[in-house]
Amino acid sequence: QVQLVQSGAEVKKPGSSVKVSCKASGGTSTSLTVSWVRQAPGHGLEWLGRIVPFLNIITYAEKFEGRLTLTADKSTTTVYMDLSSLRSDDTAVYYCAGDVNWFDPWGQGTRVTVSS
Amino acid sequence: DIHMTQSPSSLSASVGDRVTLTCRASQDIRNSLAWYQQKPGKAPKVVVYAASRLASGVPSRFNGSGSGTDHTLTISSLQTEDFATYYCQQYYSTLITFGQGTRLEIK
Repeated sequence: QVQLVQSGAEVKKPGSSVKVSCKASGGTSTSLTVSWVRQAPGHGLEWLGRIVPFLNIITYAEKFEGRLTLTADKSTTTVYMDLSSLRSDDTAVYYCAGDVNWFDPWGQGTRVTVSS
Repeated sequence: DIHMTQSPSSLSASVGDRVTLTCRASQDIRNSLAWYQQKPGKAPKVVVYAASRLASGVPSRFNGSGSGTDHTLTISSLQTEDFATYYCQQYYSTLITFGQGTRLEIK
């Protein structure tokens, strides 16, 4: 059974970048497609994009094109989300999730706070 | 993008009640719909996928139905652990979208 473990909380200045990691272990972790979803405080779920590491196929939500970069290190079964030009409204909990069209399992979430 | 609209936004109910949550897509999504349950401070958990298939370990009091644009999640007899926020998600398009959520509260 695949488990996803994310890196720890981050505090960033406006205009900077943040990189969050998501390590897969167990089950078929080497062939896992991963999506990233965020949730701003008191708000709903928002999909950011998806990476298929074994095919190197990446899809971004239009809203994040140009600011979001998804990468993967197949040797360590870790995927990374890099969001640049951070603004205060990027403050959210960022989740990685196994993408089988629906999302299962989910990582524990990484809180990213953007504040001057 | 496909827009997903959930109703109601919030719902108060009692233990033992039967409740129905609704999710409407802005275009036909066939049965490409999942429902998630999220409790405060926790990651979402899939409850239903392919519109009507229960995820592993989900109690049979949960029932998903629908096809096309209109979908529902029914909980036949609410238990204490069911009070949470529920989100629908379409995957008909490669560009994933979620509904805004329905918060299910104890009356």
